[in-house]
Amino acid sequence: AQSVTQLGSHVSVSEGALVLLRCNYSSSVPPYLFWYVQYPNQGLQLLLKYTSAATLVKGINGFEAEFKKSETSFHLTKPSAHMSDAAEYFCAVSDHSNDYKLSFGAGTTVTVRA
Amino acid sequence: GAVVSQHPSWVICKSGTSVKIECRSLDFQATTMFWYRQFPKQSLMLMATSNEGSKATYEQGVEKDKFLINHASLTLSTLTVTSAHPEDSSFYICSASDPRGTYEQYFGPGTRLTVT
Repeated sequence: AQSVTQLGSHVSVSEGALVLLRCNYSSSVPPYLFWYVQYPNQGLQLLLKYTSAATLVKGINGFEAEFKKSETSFHLTKPSAHMSDAAEYFCAVSDHSNDYKLSFGAGTTVTVRA
Repeated sequence: GAVVSQHPSWVICKSGTSVKIECRSLDFQATTMFWYRQFPKQSLMLMATSNEGSKATYEQGVEKDKFLINHASLTLSTLTVTSAHPEDSSFYICSASDPRGTYEQYFGPGTRLTVT
C-alpha cells in the first residue's frame, strides 16, 4: 500500500523567501508522485508530477520538486515566495495496481507575509 | 491540460431530500472517475471509484445506499446524496483519470453541499 506524510501542517514564509514543503512517501512499487495546490473553495490544481523520468521535476508557477529514492522523499520548493502562493498544498502518491488511486497527505497550509 | 467540470458549484437542500452532483471530463474520455469528500481544514477522503459501465467501488465506511454513483458514459459521472442530513454537509470533489498518459487525475472545482 502507498502512503505519504507531509511534515508540517503549516508553513509561514516572507514574500521573496524560499518555500520548502516536505513530503515523504511509502510505496511497494516505483511510485508516481504528485503535488497539488488548492485555493479556498476550489478543486485541486496539479503543480507537478514525478513518473519515473527525471528526478528533478519542474512545475507551474516556479515550483519544482526532487525525487530522492534513498530518502523516500519528494519535497516541493520555490526559490521566491509570492503572495499568490498562499494556499493549501497536498502531496499524493498513485497506486498503479488499483485504478491509479491517489493517497493524499494531510496537507500543508502556506501563508506568505508581506 | 485536461478540464473537469462539476455542477452545481454549491447547493443548499433540506434534510430528507436528495441531491445530484455531476462531474464531466470536457476534453478527454475518462474510463475512471473518483469522488472525494473534504471537511474543513482537512485532506481529501476518497469515497468511491467509478468505472464507466460498471458498479462503483466504495471505500470502507462509505454508505453505498446513501451515496449513489453512476458512470453512464466516458465523460459523465454523477453522485447522488440520498435522504441528505446535516452531517452530509461537506465539500465534494470529483476527479477524472486521463488514460492517455500516466493516468493522472484532473480535479473538478468542487461542490459545496449544505443540508439544512
